[in-house]
Order: sequence, then structure tokens, then C-alpha cells
Amino acid sequence: GAGVSQTPSNKVTEKGKYVELRCDPISGHTALYWYRQSLGQGPEFLIYFQGTGAADDSGLPNDRFFAVRPEGSVSTLKIQRTERGDSAVYLCASSLLLEGGTDTQYFGPGTRLTVL
Amino acid sequence: DAKTTQPPSMDCAEGRAANLPCNHSTISGNEYVYWYRQIHSQGPQYIIHGLKNNETNEMASLIITEDRKSSTLILPHATLRDTAVYYCIVREDGGGNQFYFGTGTSLTVIP
Repeated sequence: GAGVSQTPSNKVTEKGKYVELRCDPISGHTALYWYRQSLGQGPEFLIYFQGTGAADDSGLPNDRFFAVRPEGSVSTLKIQRTERGDSAVYLCASSLLLEGGTDTQYFGPGTRLTVL
Repeated sequence: DAKTTQPPSMDCAEGRAANLPCNHSTISGNEYVYWYRQIHSQGPQYIIHGLKNNETNEMASLIITEDRKSSTLILPHATLRDTAVYYCIVREDGGGNQFYFGTGTSLTVIP
């Protein structure tokens, strides 16, 4: 079946611009996660949705970052007034949100954001 | 969540077993050990996870010490396609369920 998809695969923008990154999770997955990965580092948690609501947004670096999941499926990560330091690969993952520690997250291929 | 420590890099000959260690000495009783890998320019891929018992699937085996303070991921017959960064993660049962990745081990399989 279809996995997690992310669009665009690459995004180049100029400093100060607004960008939107889209994630299509696996159908039926309740939970959706956004991570950010800088060069040479492991993915860093940003925000986690349970259904339509953000259950934990403690990883968002500042108020320029915002994410929505209005219908509990597709999610959009929005970044305002982009800065060069926002350049990274943005990863999305989804899971069934199972109990008992067996909740496996499945990752998409990521969106590579470059801020010039 | 508990912190993990992994060697930054390892080499393995093609066809041999690759044994990737992970230390998680502060792991608590309700934390699972997960392994993911990331091939260049792709998203992380789930490999295996466990709590106390050793686990095996079609990709790998996971050996967890009795005190649960360390674990080893074993790829029984490494191929060139196994060259990747391998992440060992401990995650609490329940709660926010997000993963906290470290920098992982960069495994290079040599022909």
C-alpha cells in the first residue's frame, strides 16, 4: 500500500518568504509527526498530532512555525518569515497510535527546504 | 526519555554479520528499544523494537541484555544496501510517542 508522501520533495525560497510543506500520511493512521533534520544530525521532533489536534508542539522552535491537520489526515507545516537557519530536511511520519509500546512510526521521504 | 550512546561509525564486510551496539544505561522499565535506519536521502526506516526479550524479524535480530542497559542490532548477512545510518532509540510506552533520535551509527558495508 501507499506509504507516507511529502510534497514538494525540494523547496528553495528566499529569506523572509512564507512556505508550506505538505504531508499525506498512511490512510487510517491516527497520529502524525513532524521532524526536522539538519545535515549530519538525527531527526529532531517538532510536533505531534493525534487526530486533528496537536497533542504536543513542544518541539516547534518559535512562533514562525505552525502546523495544521484540519481533517485528521493531511497535514501542512507552515513557516513564516523564513530564515537561513530553517534550511533542513523536514520529515513527516504517521502511526496507528497503538497502546503497549508497539506504535511504529512510518516516515516519508522528506522535503528538503533551502532558504537563500 | 532515556539517552542512548552509539559509536559514530562502523565498517562491515559484505556477507558478514554486522553487530551494532547501543548503550542505554538510564532506560526505565516502561521504555522500549527501537532501531531505525536511514539510507542516504531517504526517510528513516523501521527495523525492529523490543522491551525485554530478544526479537527477530526478516530484517534483523535485537539482543537486549538482561539488565536492559544495552542492546545490539544484528544484521546477519550484511549487503551493500545495508549501508546507512542506524539509530537506536528508547521510547516510553504511552505519552507523546515521539522519537528522540541521536546521531546514530554510520555503517559502511565493504565489498
